Amino acid sequence: DAKTTQPTSMDCAEGRAANLPCNHSTISGNEYVYWYRQIHSQGPQYIIHGLKNNETNEMASLIITEDRKSSTLILPHATLRDTAVYYCIVRAPSNDYKLSFGAGTTVTVRA
Amino acid sequence: SAVISQKPSRDICQRGTSLTIQCQVDSQVTMMFWYRQQPGQSLTLIATANQGSEATYESGFVIDKFPISRPNLTFSTLTVSNMSPEDSSIYLCSVGSRSGMRADTQYFGPGTRLTVL
Repeated sequence: DAKTTQPTSMDCAEGRAANLPCNHSTISGNEYVYWYRQIHSQGPQYIIHGLKNNETNEMASLIITEDRKSSTLILPHATLRDTAVYYCIVRAPSNDYKLSFGAGTTVTVRA
Repeated sequence: SAVISQKPSRDICQRGTSLTIQCQVDSQVTMMFWYRQQPGQSLTLIATANQGSEATYESGFVIDKFPISRPNLTFSTLTVSNMSPEDSSIYLCSVGSRSGMRADTQYFGPGTRLTVL
């Protein structure tokens, strides 16, 4: 699975959009981009995933560049409850479902 | 998504003892996993719990230390054996679910916070 690079931390203002970047320059054609988050003292929570098209669900939007070497997770209206560690993971579909978690980005939403 | 529960939610144990953590899912799932999250660290996969056969362990984890059972498609246990303070971590169960376009996702339980004195 391709390696990802994320900023260590970032602050966001409550009510504003939070844009979380992820670089994955060695991504292969069949690898998906996944985003999970882990709120303090809880298990990780699946947010969204995509292959090459932009995706949106009730939690967030995922914007993938045309060359697929980077992506941005957008939380449209950040709230204090969005404070968490956000993990960007790249992997190809397989029968083993395994995920490899990096260090992630610690996002702090401030009032 | 599946609803996953873990027992106990937390425990404090003495070194040299063993603790068994239970993971229960509200529906049948193909894949179940156990992760460890050491203090201030990211998640590390311990093993894949296979129904009806021995678990598949990742590099650095062995069956004698982390025996795993999976008697059916909704339940698994992880035992942390002969514990030392270095085993103090959060242990998380997760299940795999296949979604559209051949992609797949994992859903995690709330975790078990273990402190070894």
